[in-house]
Amino acid sequence: KQEVTQIPAALSVPEGENLVLNCSFTDSAIYNLQWFRQDPGKGLTSLLLIQSSQREQTSGRLNASLDKSSGRSTLYIAASQPGDSATYLCAVYSVPHSGAGSYQLTFGKGTKLSVIP
Amino acid sequence: DGGITQSPKYLFRKEGQNVTLSCEQNLNHDAMYWYRQDPGQGLRLIYYSQIVNDFQKGDIAEGYSVSREKKESFPLTVTSAQKNPTAFYLCASSTGTANQPQHFGDGTRLSIL
Repeated sequence: KQEVTQIPAALSVPEGENLVLNCSFTDSAIYNLQWFRQDPGKGLTSLLLIQSSQREQTSGRLNASLDKSSGRSTLYIAASQPGDSATYLCAVYSVPHSGAGSYQLTFGKGTKLSVIP
Repeated sequence: DGGITQSPKYLFRKEGQNVTLSCEQNLNHDAMYWYRQDPGQGLRLIYYSQIVNDFQKGDIAEGYSVSREKKESFPLTVTSAQKNPTAFYLCASSTGTANQPQHFGDGTRLSIL
């Protein structure tokens, strides 16, 4: 069964610092990996989706990398801002064990980021 | 604007009562999903539907039921059999293909009275 781990569980950094969030998964047979942002009491906002054939994706100050063979992904946030404070979730798309049905997302528990002004 | 609407935002359940959470999408997506989120836990899949009139159990389906009578709607009923229903419930939708992301609603917080 696919398991996703995110380290650290919480991170506090001063404004302007570059930072890296880590995600690891146990089954490398994935279709893609998605990074989400969740603000308190809100739903998830998709940040980046990396296909299994890709090594990285970039969107503004965010860069996500994927090393499928080692089961790892990182989310790099450049020049952090207080508005980046949120919980960041990593999720991988896998095929269900039954081999049939919709692709399913398996989520990590998230990294809670606080950017201090 | 296209998106996913969940209602209500907050819901309270009495002992022995069934409650229904609404999820509507206007993204023309085929697939819809229900997740449960508990503090300090990752999201866990309750039910999903790839197409109208079809749905599949996820990892924690016990005590829940769903229907998919229309493409745009996927309501979730939390039955009295669910003994620990207090959680944040998130609905999502996607095209159903692996190269497209899932889009999420703003969630419903369910509490026990």
